[in-house]
Amino acid sequence: AQSVSQHNHHVILSEAASLELGCNYSYGGTVNLFWYVQYPGQHLQLLLKYFSGDPLVKGIKGFEAEFIKSKFSFNLRKPSVQWSDTAEYFCAVYNNDMRFGAGTRLTVKP
Amino acid sequence: NAGVTQTPKFQVLKTGQSMTLQCAQDMNHNSMYWYRQDPGMGLRLIYYSASEGTTDKGEVPNGYNVSRLNKREFSLRLESAAPSQTSVYFCASSDPLRVNEKLFFGSGTQLSVL
Repeated sequence: AQSVSQHNHHVILSEAASLELGCNYSYGGTVNLFWYVQYPGQHLQLLLKYFSGDPLVKGIKGFEAEFIKSKFSFNLRKPSVQWSDTAEYFCAVYNNDMRFGAGTRLTVKP
Repeated sequence: NAGVTQTPKFQVLKTGQSMTLQCAQDMNHNSMYWYRQDPGMGLRLIYYSASEGTTDKGEVPNGYNVSRLNKREFSLRLESAAPSQTSVYFCASSDPLRVNEKLFFGSGTQLSVL
């Protein structure tokens, strides 16, 4: 069965620091890849997605992710985080169903 | 446009009680999902339904049953609730035939089993 691994459980950064959150998946076939964000007290919202084409995808709020097929990875990046980016971030993989990673809690200190 | 509607928003049960979580979507989506969200474990798929009339087990189906009543509705039933089922439950839907595949989530049900 496909699985999704997120390496960091909790990341703490200061404002303006750069962010990279790791995501690896186990499924070897064609997959669609997603990053979702969950702000405190809210449900999940889509940040960005990859289906095909350019492996560097740009999403909302300055986030981007790079799909590296050989590494089965889809890491999320942002050059300069803001306090408002404090949230939990989930990587997800879709094949026949949608599976999520355990999430990474990001705390940005002002 | 309501999107995905879940009821109830909060529920407290005693061990052994049963209940059904309701979910309905008005986007004509084929696929519907039930997830549970627990701290440190992310969202885990309980059951999903790829289309009306079909259901499949996800990662953590034990202790749950589902019914895809029609294209709009997908309910989750706990026959005999256990404290381990204390969690936040999310229903979601999507249309896999569309290129813009993403999940639309309900607002969640916070369930406590005492």
